[in-house]
Amino acid sequence: DGGITQSPKYLFRKEGQNVTLSCEQNLNHDAMYWYRQDPGQGLRLIYYSQIVNDFQKGDIAEGYSVSREKKESFPLTVTSAQKNPTAFYLCASSQSSPSYEQYFGPGTRLTVT
Amino acid sequence: DAKTTQPPSMDCAEGRAANLPCNHSTISGNEYVYWYRQIHSQGPQYIIHGLKNNETNEMASLIITEDRKSSTLILPHATLRDTAVYYCIVRVSWVVGDMRFGAGTRLTVKP
Repeated sequence: DGGITQSPKYLFRKEGQNVTLSCEQNLNHDAMYWYRQDPGQGLRLIYYSQIVNDFQKGDIAEGYSVSREKKESFPLTVTSAQKNPTAFYLCASSQSSPSYEQYFGPGTRLTVT
Repeated sequence: DAKTTQPPSMDCAEGRAANLPCNHSTISGNEYVYWYRQIHSQGPQYIIHGLKNNETNEMASLIITEDRKSSTLILPHATLRDTAVYYCIVRVSWVVGDMRFGAGTRLTVKP
């Protein structure tokens, strides 16, 4: 089955700890994305990557970091510098061009206390 | 980016057509209209997109007005499983990362 895997589904951390969220895709997509969703809100773009070893900041990149060492993997690290890390995190992937839709993973709900 | 305006919520009777409106009065000529939906606590799902012609697929139809300032997503025979938040997004299709989700419309399909 082709798709996007995010693990774990629920994650709990203490304040001040860095935490890394996993995202893997086997769709052979070039582009990958990370979004954050707060309750009752739409999605906000954190980072995206068009190709291996390259990524760009989205609208709310502060306090987050990413890497793209492999085409199929795009892990997101939520650092202790992120002031309000508790949220629902969604990973997506797509072809790079020309007219493409994004395919989303099931999400990881992170709770920091 | 063109902004979109959607009603915050709508109800629809099961088996009837659900018509979800979206205003995008500042859309530019190279921006497409995309629709996604998000069932509670899941990742969004792509539904359909279009530029200026009406589009139809197995999930829905997209009607775009001639001036492209508004569009309507039509679910022809809504089921309870169509209950979700529906997002209307306008974007330049070839720009990676150019996807902005607003608050969407919460559609509730009632038996």
